[in-house]
Amino acid sequence: GNSVTQMEGPVTLSEEAFLTINCTYTATGYPSLFWYVQYPGEGLQLLLKATKADDKGSNKGFEATYRKETTSFHLEKGSVQVSDSAVYFCALSDPGNTPLVFGKGTRLSVIA
Amino acid sequence: GEEVAQTPKHLVRGEGQKAKLYCAPIKGHSYVFWYQQVLKNEFKFLISFQNENVFDETGMPKERFSAKCLPNSPCSLEIQATKLEDSAVYFCASSQSASATNEKLFFGSGTQLSVL
Repeated sequence: GNSVTQMEGPVTLSEEAFLTINCTYTATGYPSLFWYVQYPGEGLQLLLKATKADDKGSNKGFEATYRKETTSFHLEKGSVQVSDSAVYFCALSDPGNTPLVFGKGTRLSVIA
Repeated sequence: GEEVAQTPKHLVRGEGQKAKLYCAPIKGHSYVFWYQQVLKNEFKFLISFQNENVFDETGMPKERFSAKCLPNSPCSLEIQATKLEDSAVYFCASSQSASATNEKLFFGSGTQLSVL
């Protein structure tokens, strides 16, 4: 079945540090890939997505590239801010109307 | 409305009691999804609706859990005879499509269910 594996947290960084959160996936088809973010006490918000190989999703300084050869979709940001502190979820959706499958989430804490 | 509204925010039940959670999707969204987030952050899909019809119930436990979306009413998720392991945050999401690829999914803030 489909699954998503992401690096375990928590990740603690200083402000302006470089961020990478690794995500790899297993899928029977050719899925779309997503990163969602959950701020404290809130629901998930879509951060970015990519629907085909070599696509790069980007938003708010975050980016991730769909790598079919390595089945990966790593999240990166060049310079994190305290306000980026949240839990980040990698997810996939098979073509068609299948529900999102989420990874277990990575908690990021950015300290000033 | 412009956001997915979930009520209540917190719900405490003794083991064996019933729990009922509500979700009002964004106006104009035909699809509603329920997810369960357990302690270690893992999100588990439960069920989805297209208007008042069940669309996908592959994640729904076969016992004790039921859900409805009736016209002109909030959708509901009901757990009969709650167990300790039902303690989780239950998230509702809505969308104009069943495919997350094609249409953005909007999540509510969740209902924290604590079973004591």
